[in-house]
Amino acid sequence: EPEVTQTPSHQVTQMGQEVILRCVPISNHLYFYWYRQILGQKVEFLVSFYNNEISEKSEIFDDQFSVERPDGSNFTLKIRSTKLEDSAMYFCASSARRGGETQYFGPGTRLLVL
Amino acid sequence: AQSVTQPDIHITVSEGASLELRCNYSYGATPYLFWYVQSPGQGLQLLLKYFSGDTLVQGIKGFEAEFKRSQSSFNLRKPSVHWSDAAEYFCAVGAYNFNKFYFGSGTKLNVKP
Repeated sequence: EPEVTQTPSHQVTQMGQEVILRCVPISNHLYFYWYRQILGQKVEFLVSFYNNEISEKSEIFDDQFSVERPDGSNFTLKIRSTKLEDSAMYFCASSARRGGETQYFGPGTRLLVL
Repeated sequence: AQSVTQPDIHITVSEGASLELRCNYSYGATPYLFWYVQSPGQGLQLLLKYFSGDTLVQGIKGFEAEFKRSQSSFNLRKPSVHWSDAAEYFCAVGAYNFNKFYFGSGTKLNVKP
């Protein structure tokens, strides 16, 4: 069964450093998403991406964040200058269609900013 | 604004007992509703979903959920819990005009032998 994969599974970084989180969505999906879950809190939407551009982003997704689909398979989330409060589990998801269509989630990347 | 509430943070049930996890949502139109499960160290696995039609939906691992529009609820049930069901369960809402899901805070299920 196709699945969303994410690398790395864990990342530890120093405050102010750049990190790139990688995702390989399900191959025939067209819509891609990033969510995050701070420890003990809700899973929160960050951004959705379609046709090589951002469809929607949340207030959390400020100028420090960017997303890219550098090739036909990868979907990346970059945090330019990490802050302590960026420590969280980051989930990538993909869906075949938009508008509430089922989103399939990857296993997540646990980011720890020291 | 759209929101999802899962009133129970932790629930403990005995193996073999029945289970009901509560989910209430706030949304002005017909929502699309989902239950996901997250085992320790794992991602979010889809258990079941409701888009339209029969308000009782069946999912994987013997789970079912019932959509009750009058109560804005989408409670998850299982008649007999297995130790392997111990995990965290998340309810989520989407809609045809959304590009995102709204998640509840999750309910952690502990299963006693």
